Amino acid sequence: QKEVEQNSGPLSVPEGAIASLNCTYSDRGSQSFFWYRQYSGKSPELIMSIYSNGDKEDGRFTAQLNKASQYVSLLIRDSQPSDSATYLCAVTAGKSTFGDGTTLTVKP
Amino acid sequence: SAVISQKPSRDICQRGTSLTIQCQVDSQVTMMFWYRQQPGQSLTLIATANQGSEATYESGFVIDKFPISRPNLTFSTLTVSNMSPEDSSIYLCSVQRSGPNTGELFFGEGSRLTVL
Repeated sequence: QKEVEQNSGPLSVPEGAIASLNCTYSDRGSQSFFWYRQYSGKSPELIMSIYSNGDKEDGRFTAQLNKASQYVSLLIRDSQPSDSATYLCAVTAGKSTFGDGTTLTVKP
Repeated sequence: SAVISQKPSRDICQRGTSLTIQCQVDSQVTMMFWYRQQPGQSLTLIATANQGSEATYESGFVIDKFPISRPNLTFSTLTVSNMSPEDSSIYLCSVQRSGPNTGELFFGEGSRLTVL
């Protein structure tokens, strides 16, 4: 079992729709949870961090964490073509472990 | 956020040679991290570099293959030794945001190595 698993992609949504990205993790001692966005040919950039159960909203992005279910998700509302990228889930328990990523394509 | 500069940005190398990647940060940081991202795959931590001590390597990575230097709080190098085509990858330098929200990482632009 992988330490961090993300829903398999690629994911394609029409412009304006909600994109839902999911991630599960195996280490119950994990303390911090992150979503990074990586455009093709670029390095990852942090877009969301969440540390406690519940929802955290930042603009069009909402991160959701459920530690009991070992589940973290990212919702992107009003998806734009510029959101097309690979989204990496990362979980930290001392060090950061990354999932394989989900590639999102937003079609105009 | 930290500004992280890596050199070289890309290189094509011959099998059996070694290449050193440099990472410069615009502020002092305690830990620097080196990741590898193989084509189409996610990030794998190679090692953590602390100033003044030997780097801590992750399972599957050894110092002889990936020697790391950390001479001060703003600079680190990663050497990929005796390269083979399997070492073709993007190598990323990363630092952690200081303060209470630990774990947030900033990445350099990456060094894309192709080994022939």
